[in-house]
Amino acid sequence: AQTVTQSQPEMSVQEAETVTLSCTYDTSESDYYLFWYKQPPSRQMILVIRQEAYKQQNATENRFSVNFQKAAKSFSLKISDSQLGDAAMYFCAYRPTYNNNDMRFGAGTRLTVKP
Amino acid sequence: GAVVSQHPSWVICKSGTSVKIECRSLDFQATTMFWYRQFPKQSLMLMATSNEGSKATYEQGVEKDKFLINHASLTLSTLTVTSAHPEDSSFYICSAPKAGIDQETQYFGPGTRLLVL
Repeated sequence: AQTVTQSQPEMSVQEAETVTLSCTYDTSESDYYLFWYKQPPSRQMILVIRQEAYKQQNATENRFSVNFQKAAKSFSLKISDSQLGDAAMYFCAYRPTYNNNDMRFGAGTRLTVKP
Repeated sequence: GAVVSQHPSWVICKSGTSVKIECRSLDFQATTMFWYRQFPKQSLMLMATSNEGSKATYEQGVEKDKFLINHASLTLSTLTVTSAHPEDSSFYICSAPKAGIDQETQYFGPGTRLLVL
């Protein structure tokens, strides 16, 4: 069974600084997708970034980037120039390529941004 | 874009009544939709997969007679919590991947908060 682990229940960052959220996963598959979703206080889940496992290049979306280490099964999220609006719960998620029904979420990391 | 809506956004009901929650993909078609449940300060737990034109697939431990799912069209799935009890109080979220391209990403609705008294 695939599992997703987020070892940091809470993280804090100063506004304008950089923070990295950790995520590891366990799978025997070679082809899969990884995601980071943001859930602000409104509880609307918002896609932050997506990574295809077959791509070696790390995905980036503006201030958000990932460090994807396939051999280590690690998928960390880096937020640069943190803004107050980045404060939210962040969920790491895994999905095998062959099965759209099998999306697994980590427990989440609550990010606080200090002004 | 990929917008998913849910209705209602919150509902309070008496124990023993049934509650229907709608999930709509507004600007794309979705042959599959997913229903999740989220307890306070916890992650999302997949309850079932809604399939257009066929029966829903339920995760282990989820009662299909308790949580009725109907995928009436390519843009609408409904979750009915039958004979609701206080333990059914939770936050229910639906999601959908786009049919065709970009099926890898799930787009989430804003969620429905259910409180059963």
